[in-house]
Amino acid sequence: NAGVTQTPKFQVLKTGQSMTLQCAQDMNHEYMSWYRQDPGMGLRLIHYSVGAGITDQGEVPNGYNVSRSTTEDFPLRLLSAAPSQTSVYFCASSYRTGVQPQHFGDGTRLSIL
Amino acid sequence: ILNVEQSPQSLHVQEGDSTNFTCSFPSSNFYALHWYRWETAKSPEALFVMTLNGDEKKKGRISATLNTKEGYSYLYIKGSQPEDSATYLCAFINRDDKIIFGKGTRLHILP
Repeated sequence: NAGVTQTPKFQVLKTGQSMTLQCAQDMNHEYMSWYRQDPGMGLRLIHYSVGAGITDQGEVPNGYNVSRSTTEDFPLRLLSAAPSQTSVYFCASSYRTGVQPQHFGDGTRLSIL
Repeated sequence: ILNVEQSPQSLHVQEGDSTNFTCSFPSSNFYALHWYRWETAKSPEALFVMTLNGDEKKKGRISATLNTKEGYSYLYIKGSQPEDSATYLCAFINRDDKIIFGKGTRLHILP
């Protein structure tokens, strides 16, 4: 049982480059979300989706795009990478937001030079 | 702005002692509160999902209570062990599907 799979695990980008962080889950979860973890800031919600075709912004959405064309996949796109986006990114999923806990991927460590 | 506060930020506890820490959250538009345990270099793992005012949950030596009217939850650890060293996160979920995490309480168990 794969659970939530994030790729890549590590990535180094130059300022201005674009890239997509992949997230896939095999649990048929409706809810998926992306967080970033920065020192002293905990986990901050970037974007989330309550089902295929539906996405919404979280606390810190600027500079990121998401789409949810299938239940399984929820990619996060950095349009033009900036050093401020250096962070560890976590994808999570659950059946429903409140009554079921989030299942987290292993994280993607992203460095923007 | 939804604000979730956890205190203390960091805590050192002697092995064998009991401890507790707090998560404060908005008392309006409440849907659920989650507690997670987050070990270094791993991803957060769920401890408890709490939805009702007055809820008490227990898993081994760890338990949690919930007060939705005043907007706080306590996490208790009884007889701390070295393997309890981790960051403990709470997450507030409102009825608009927004999830807001606190910054966590970092617990260090001293041998």
